[in-house]
Amino acid sequence: ETGVTQSPTHLIKTRGQQVTLRCSSQSGHNTVSWYQQALGQGPQFIFQYYREEENGRGNFPPRFSGLQFPNYSSELNVNALELDDSALYLCASSLQGAPNEKLFFGSGTQLSVL
Amino acid sequence: GNSVTQMEGPVTLSEEAFLTINCTYTATGYPSLFWYVQYPGEGLQLLLKATKADDKGSNKGFEATYRKETTSFHLEKGSVQVSDSAVYFCALSIKAAGNKLTFGGGTRVLVKP
Repeated sequence: ETGVTQSPTHLIKTRGQQVTLRCSSQSGHNTVSWYQQALGQGPQFIFQYYREEENGRGNFPPRFSGLQFPNYSSELNVNALELDDSALYLCASSLQGAPNEKLFFGSGTQLSVL
Repeated sequence: GNSVTQMEGPVTLSEEAFLTINCTYTATGYPSLFWYVQYPGEGLQLLLKATKADDKGSNKGFEATYRKETTSFHLEKGSVQVSDSAVYFCALSIKAAGNKLTFGGGTRVLVKP
């Protein structure tokens, strides 16, 4: 149990819709990172949030956006869903400046786009 | 850019067999190296890490040595158990890039009794 919780656990959407995924970080952690894990592949970095601002972004289009709230929880928003957006979305929390061993992952949200 | 390549699975073994999962990397800069494990229905868990050349990370009977000359970080375990069945990911990070991890494609390991 890492203390990082994600909701919902599973979600089904249709192409063109919008989706919001949520993440509650581990107590004391101020940084949240989001990763996309397509079936049979390794996770890919989407972006990171620190102090409510984006703090690094991977190779994802602008229709992937995020928010971080004062309590350090976070949302991932995806607009205009495409079939290839079907994946497991992982949230990871950490303390800014801490080494990577202090990165804790949630169990993920499985998104299916039909 | 940075990338990680690991052997494709699935790898099927009998209990008490020796496990090796190969991992090689390409990095701009001096990376830290990691192995993560993902059990069914769960998130990623850090298994072990190494931060400089010739370091050996170890945990739960697993070991991996940071080999700068061959840009490799192979995972080994001498005697696997059924409970080791999972997907294993090799990953790297560069300090200048913050906590961003670059992962390999994962290797599924199935241990049969």
